[in-house]
Amino acid sequence: GDSVTQTEGQVALSEEDFLTIHCNYSASGYPTLFWYVQYPGEGPQLLFRASRDKEKGSSRGFEATYDKGTTSFHLRKASVQESDSAVYYCALIPSSSFSKLVFGQGTSLSVVP
Amino acid sequence: GPKVLQIPSHQIIDMGQMVTLNCDPVSNHLYFYWYKQILGQQMEFLVNFYNGKVMEKSKLFKDQFSVERPDGSYFTLKIQPTALEDSAVYFCASSLAGNYAEQFFGPGTRLTVL
Repeated sequence: GDSVTQTEGQVALSEEDFLTIHCNYSASGYPTLFWYVQYPGEGPQLLFRASRDKEKGSSRGFEATYDKGTTSFHLRKASVQESDSAVYYCALIPSSSFSKLVFGQGTSLSVVP
Repeated sequence: GPKVLQIPSHQIIDMGQMVTLNCDPVSNHLYFYWYKQILGQQMEFLVNFYNGKVMEKSKLFKDQFSVERPDGSYFTLKIQPTALEDSAVYFCASSLAGNYAEQFFGPGTRLTVL
């Protein structure tokens, strides 16, 4: 079945560090890919999405590029801030569905000043 | 931004009882969803709902589960009877459109079945 794998369960960084969170997916065709962010006490909220090979999604300094060849959608940010501390979820909607989100395990990011 | 509310935030019940989880979606949204997250595991899709009907459901959406949204009121998830494995955080979401549209999530209801 369709699945999303995030290799990092927890990431600890200092402010202004470079962030990479790895996301690989398994799905047929061209799923739509998403990054969601969840702050404490809230539900996940959309960072951005991409639906075509080589499409770049970006928001608030975060970015990821849809790579069908490597089935990846890695999240990157050049310089993190303490306010970026949150849980980040990679997700997809399979091409066989229209709205069923399939989530990865989530990556907890902690940024210290 | 648009807010989805969930009531209650926590619910503790005994196995075998009925429970109803309530979701107040974004006011003009038409599509509604429930997701389940067991502690330490990933969030999983349960069901989506549009125009009074279930459009898609997963294997997790057991016969004991039902959803409804009577006349623009809360979107509800009812579990009857509950089982120990139903203990989880349940997230409601809503979206304006269906196809790949942004889903807005509530903060979740933590359900504990004893």
